[in-house]
Amino acid sequence: GAVVSQHPSRVICKSGTSVKIECRSLDFQATTMFWYRQFPKQSLMLMATSNEGSKATYEQGVEKDKFLINHASLTLSTLTVTSAHPEDSSFYICSVKDRTLNQPQHFGDGTRLSIL
Amino acid sequence: AQKITQTQPGMFVQEKEAVTLDCTYDTSDQSYGLFWYKQPSSGEMIFLIYQGSYDEQNATEGRYSLNFQKARKSANLVISASQLGDSAMYFCAMREGRSGNTPLVFGKGTRLSVIA
Repeated sequence: GAVVSQHPSRVICKSGTSVKIECRSLDFQATTMFWYRQFPKQSLMLMATSNEGSKATYEQGVEKDKFLINHASLTLSTLTVTSAHPEDSSFYICSVKDRTLNQPQHFGDGTRLSIL
Repeated sequence: AQKITQTQPGMFVQEKEAVTLDCTYDTSDQSYGLFWYKQPSSGEMIFLIYQGSYDEQNATEGRYSLNFQKARKSANLVISASQLGDSAMYFCAMREGRSGNTPLVFGKGTRLSVIA
């Protein structure tokens, strides 16, 4: 069964809207979650590392005021795209680090965001 | 400099044949992990196979095997007996360090098309 639940799977909204994406770890407590963004026909690019109980760590070039991350519990991290614009349209996908070092990260099914 | 290089943007393979997808990596860490993921058109990331830097034997998982050549810093994925359902994007990824708290870095991917 799924280890990570990501919701919603698809969002279509008007420019200027703020959109919240949830990422839940179903199988175990996750102190660390990762948020990636994937533009069409491109690879996954890390946006930020979400740490439970502390501020997220953002990658260079990612606006922290634009992409708000809240990791308030050991099973839930949220990404809010504030005042979204068409250039924010992308595929957003979260992942959870497995408890075992040698195991892969578990990915959510992703959120396809389309800003009109 | 890119940490993960996948030089084949697209590959074609005949059904039931084997195919090799290339991946080279760059790291100065002694401890790292190499992963292959499959991404169908629906977007989810499906974990295929893992190779640790200290693993002496090549990893195998069913029809997937990883040809790990540490000195050459390559981690090629071999898919045997290709099936139509194998058509997808394939990403090579690396996690550096021991802690497991580091994110994955992805290559640009290879689009595999299996022909009947």
